[in-house]
Amino acid sequence: KAGVTQTPRYLIKTRGQQVTLSCSPISGHRSVSWYQQTPGQGLQFLFEYFSETQRNKGNFPGRFSGRQFSNSRSEMNVSTLELGDSALYLCASSQSTGPDTQYFGPGTRLTVL
Amino acid sequence: DAKTTQPPSMDCAEGRAANLPCNHSTISGNEYVYWYRQIHSQGPQYIIHGLKNNETNEMASLIITEDRKSSTLILPHATLRDTAVYYCIVRVANNLFFGTGTRLTVIP
Repeated sequence: KAGVTQTPRYLIKTRGQQVTLSCSPISGHRSVSWYQQTPGQGLQFLFEYFSETQRNKGNFPGRFSGRQFSNSRSEMNVSTLELGDSALYLCASSQSTGPDTQYFGPGTRLTVL
Repeated sequence: DAKTTQPPSMDCAEGRAANLPCNHSTISGNEYVYWYRQIHSQGPQYIIHGLKNNETNEMASLIITEDRKSSTLILPHATLRDTAVYYCIVRVANNLFFGTGTRLTVIP
């Protein structure tokens, strides 16, 4: 069974631009969570989607948003990029919402110049 | 979610067992203990999880104390490829709260 895939793997943007990242979960998994990892803050939870609905949200500004499609694929969007948004963005999928094991993708490395 | 405390770094000789401790003294009765590891700049890899009983899989063993306030992840025969940051997480909701983890270095 294929793992979680994320595209693109690397991305360079400039301040003020917006970006969309994509995540395809493991087949059969309906929950997708997003995390941001920076050297200073470590791994932080952004939000979780299940059945096309946002179920949980971390403490991030409204510039960070996401959505989930009927096939469970998910996208996250960051608008008006800031230098501090440079990070590794990780997507994780699980079969359901709740305390279920999450499996991570390789991440998208975003650099904001 | 309960907080966890892990030593920032540990060394282990190749071929020996690596024992990684984790304190979670405020854990609730329905919170699971999960272990993940992250090899440099890759996505975290699931290792093992447990609630009350000790668990073992092909990667590792998880020993949880009777009072559930601490646990130990055991890699029985550490290899150089086990060098990574290991995260101990306790959770009941579906979002994981990662601490700073333990950087394990396996030495040849």
